Parts: sequence; C-alpha cells; structure tokens
Amino acid sequence: AQKITQTQPGMFVQEKEAVTLDCTYDTSDQSYGLFWYKQPSSGEMIFLIYQGSYDEQNATEGRYSLNFQKARKSANLVISASQLGDSAMYFCAMREGLNTGNQFYFGTGTSLTVIP
Amino acid sequence: DAGVIQSPRHEVTEMGQEVTLRCKPISGHDYLFWYRQTMMRGLELLIYFNNNVPIDDSGMPEDRFSAKMPNASFSTLKIQPSEPRDSAVYFCASSSKLAGGRSYNEQFFGPGTRLTVL
Repeated sequence: AQKITQTQPGMFVQEKEAVTLDCTYDTSDQSYGLFWYKQPSSGEMIFLIYQGSYDEQNATEGRYSLNFQKARKSANLVISASQLGDSAMYFCAMREGLNTGNQFYFGTGTSLTVIP
Repeated sequence: DAGVIQSPRHEVTEMGQEVTLRCKPISGHDYLFWYRQTMMRGLELLIYFNNNVPIDDSGMPEDRFSAKMPNASFSTLKIQPSEPRDSAVYFCASSSKLAGGRSYNEQFFGPGTRLTVL
C-alpha cells in the first residue's frame, strides 16, 4: 500500500482564491510527522509546513495551513489568497516513528497552477 | 548556514562511464538522504544514513549504484557503469536531531544534480 497518496495530479486556482491540496497517509505508528514541500519550476524543494501526530491544533504558517484529520488519516494543505508565485508542484510527506526506521515517504505530488 | 550543498549541479556523461555525485549536509545534521526524481517515477528514496551509517538502502535500484558517507560532512552517490535510464535529478537532503519540542524535523534539500546519460 502507498504510504502517501495524493489523488490530484493537477489543480487550477484563481489568483487570490483559496485552494486545498489533498493528502492521505497510511501508517500503523502512533507517532509520526506530516510535511508539505513546494517544488517550483526551478527545481528546489522548499519546506512549507509540519504537523505532528500528537499535535491537537492544525498547523499554520502564514498563508499555509494543514487540515489534519487523524481518524481519516488525511493531511490536506490549504493555501489561502493564492498568488502567481504559488504555481508549483506540491509534495506531501510523512516521517514514521523512530522504531520503524525514521525514514521519509513522499507522495507523487500535485501540480498547482494559479490563474491571473 | 550554507544549506545542503551538492556538486556538480549538472552532469552529462556517456553510457558506461562512472558518475560520482557529492553532498555536504548541513552541519550538525545526523540524517542524510539520497533521492532520485524522474517524471515517470516521481521522488524515490534511494538510501539514507544515520550518523554516517547506512540504515536503509532498499531503494537503490541495482548494484551499479553505491553510496558512502565517510564522515559527517560528506557523502557520495556513485553509478558505475551509468546507463541512459539513470538520467534524473538526484537530491541529497539532511535532517537534524529532534529539538525545540517538535516530534520530527523536516528534511532540508540540496539544489539537486541533474544527470544526463547519453
């Protein structure tokens, strides 16, 4: 089974609108971390936001927020007030517990295009 | 901090040649990861190290690939002999010990090495 699933290969959003990028994960660990990364066309991977499995509040970082629904094993990224510079690939990732190797798993990514 | 440093940024070589990719992690980070990214397969974890020791190399495609981490500040990924299907962007990333009350720390990625094997 896939550890991280991103079902939206491509998304479009109007500038200044909000957009939600979906991510579901699969783990039997109780302790894990969830991350979102942005990869613009220039190729670098940029860390955006983090959510720990024991965090009770949804993480927020500026215009980014993570809609964490633990029971559903989903960790959707919400970008508010989209900007043209938000056009990029977005990857959801998970780091499992220390007892299971502590490695990272990445999804296949969602390509976001912001329309002026 | 300079961030994760990778060299070369671009490499073009001919099939059958040996290719060595280099990575300097962020000072103080004790985890180092090598990834390969292609359009077809996305981002694949090849191998990762903890305190210079390889922990999981199950993602290494075949014996032509090898990785070493002789010390905390340097790692190499070697392909010998290289093949056209190895053409990809290879990322190195590092991560630190837990700190600041977080359960996990994010990975910091290098700029990548774009490898083209003709």
